[in-house]
Amino acid sequence: KAGVTQTPRYLIKTRGQQVTLSCSPISGHRSVSWYQQTPGQGLQFLFEYFSETQRNKGNFPGRFSGRQFSNSRSEMNVSTLELGDSALYLCASSLLQAGAETQYFGPGTRLLVL
Amino acid sequence: AQSVTQLGSHVSVSEGALVLLRCNYSSSVPPYLFWYVQYPNQGLQLLLKYTSAATLVKGINGFEAEFKKSETSFHLTKPSAHMSDAAEYFCAVSDRGGGADGLTFGKGTHLIIQP
Repeated sequence: KAGVTQTPRYLIKTRGQQVTLSCSPISGHRSVSWYQQTPGQGLQFLFEYFSETQRNKGNFPGRFSGRQFSNSRSEMNVSTLELGDSALYLCASSLLQAGAETQYFGPGTRLLVL
Repeated sequence: AQSVTQLGSHVSVSEGALVLLRCNYSSSVPPYLFWYVQYPNQGLQLLLKYTSAATLVKGINGFEAEFKKSETSFHLTKPSAHMSDAAEYFCAVSDRGGGADGLTFGKGTHLIIQP
């Protein structure tokens, strides 16, 4: 079974731009979670989608948003990019809701904001 | 609210020596506990997880962890370190309520293996 895939793997943007990242979960998995990883703050939960509905959201500003499609693929969008948004963005999928199941992570998208 | 504390941002051991990475958690409900490993420029790979079936959990690559409720700990061990174990290790906690609150991670421990 193919693992979680994320595209693109690397991205360079400038301040003020917006960006969309994509995540394809493991086949059959219905839950997709997003995390931001930075050297200073570590791994932080962004949000989780289950059956196209956002079930929970971490403590991030409204510039961070996401959605999930009927095939469970998910996208996250960051608008009005700031230098501090430079990070590795990780997507994870699980069979059921994130709290009850193991999450399997993709390789991440490394975003650099200049 | 949940939290995870990993003692030691860097741990250095000799090849063949015991690996011990410490993790203490705080949770208002019985937790799920996880250890993940991250190699450079890669995502997180699950090493093992605790879900109450057994307090001693065996994972991949010879790693194991023991859940100790009285000490609120879930330390990761491996009897004999190998050069390929050099990586970043993360302990994480999730509640059992079924709520989709995501994983709460510790700050990570960078494991260095000395030849």
